[in-house]
Amino acid sequence: QSALTQPASVSGSPGQSITISCTGTSSDVGAYNYVSWYQQHPGKAPKLMIYDVSNRPSGVSNRFSGSKSGNTASLTISGLQAEDEADYYCSSYTSTNSLEFGGGTKLTVL
Amino acid sequence: QLQLQESGPGLVKPSETLSLMCTVSGGSISSSGYYWGWIRQPPGKGLEWIGTIYYSGSTYYNPSLQSRVTISVDTSKSQFSLKLSSVTAADTAVYYCARGNYYYTDVWGKGTTVTVSS
Repeated sequence: QSALTQPASVSGSPGQSITISCTGTSSDVGAYNYVSWYQQHPGKAPKLMIYDVSNRPSGVSNRFSGSKSGNTASLTISGLQAEDEADYYCSSYTSTNSLEFGGGTKLTVL
Repeated sequence: QLQLQESGPGLVKPSETLSLMCTVSGGSISSSGYYWGWIRQPPGKGLEWIGTIYYSGSTYYNPSLQSRVTISVDTSKSQFSLKLSSVTAADTAVYYCARGNYYYTDVWGKGTTVTVSS
């Protein structure tokens, strides 16, 4: 059982927007602005999409955005494209000076 | 650009020690502000942070694995390593080495599969 809770799956049609939630506690997500999001295609290594809650690394599409409210962080993908179909993981720094991941969300583009 | 490559045995026997190496190329392992770590992913499951090391040798481990994990760095060879003792089938996973700023990971290796079986 993962420390951070994500929905097992979400889906959307091309062009639509979807949001993936990541719920933690006041000892991780709620305490620090150190939430990151990763995209993982089958058989590939994860790719950093968002860091420090809402920052995009160079080269990541501005269709990807992140936010946080209380103990819940969110990843929003707008203008959904077929290539966005993948697994998405959130991660947070914790009060025990460690990192933890969510269980992952499978995004299906219909 | 920076590349990380994992290496080590693909098969380890139960109760033995899993040992993996990560070789860093295209950049310096001694760069200030960057941390080097290991993350694993059991088959069909999610990601699990194992631990992180700074080039100075400071280490940080997942509390759930701390008693079995050792991460070390050899800056002269641009390598860092993972040792996980007393392995069981639950340690079967793809093991990734990675670079980050501690709070997030921005460069990943391709991963190496380790199976624990007799």
